[in-house]
Amino acid sequence: DAKTTQPTSMDCAEGRAANLPCNHSTISGNEYVYWYRQIHSQGPQYIIHGLKNNETNEMASLIITEDRKSSTLILPHATLRDTAVYYCIVGSGNTGKLIFGQGTTLQVKP
Amino acid sequence: NAGVMQNPRHLVRRRGQEARLRCSPMKGHSHVYWYRQLPEEGLKFMVYLQKENIIDESGMPKERFSAEFPKEGPSILRIQQVVRGDSAAYFCASSPPSLAGGQFFFGPGTRLTVL
Repeated sequence: DAKTTQPTSMDCAEGRAANLPCNHSTISGNEYVYWYRQIHSQGPQYIIHGLKNNETNEMASLIITEDRKSSTLILPHATLRDTAVYYCIVGSGNTGKLIFGQGTTLQVKP
Repeated sequence: NAGVMQNPRHLVRRRGQEARLRCSPMKGHSHVYWYRQLPEEGLKFMVYLQKENIIDESGMPKERFSAEFPKEGPSILRIQQVVRGDSAAYFCASSPPSLAGGQFFFGPGTRLTVL
């Protein structure tokens, strides 16, 4: 079973920030938070990951709460091409056994 | 700098035939993972391999499925005597030798259809 809880779906207006929440209350000290997305049943695309500090890259920002029990993925300026299923995953990073939940279907609307 | 490559991209088999799915990891990556995605479902871990070793096969069905990652050449996921329930997208991912919270890169997948 997935160790994370995400809303089933979300809408976002094009050009606005998309904030995708994720709860991972049972995360352990050595586990990372990973975000992937899947567009039209393509292969999952890596977005970002972090351990406890907030992270930012060219795609997104990851905000992890101080107690690490939840996090938020931020797409600063969503475009129509960001419409996808977004998966929040926790894992030790020592194996590739990522446990995917159902994810959040983000619909970016014009 | 090619990413993870999988072939074929689409594979059609009749019930009882064998399916062979290939995965070439990214350059410099020695860890390979296979995942299966049934229609309208999320990805499920199947197996984790390093060169010539199966590290974790806890997600592999007990029968008809096998995987290998030889010293030379791609990783192979083999499904013997396919049944209609094997119809799915099979994704391969790879990672570098040192993980430490590293990224896993996925290939485009092989879509298997069993008639």
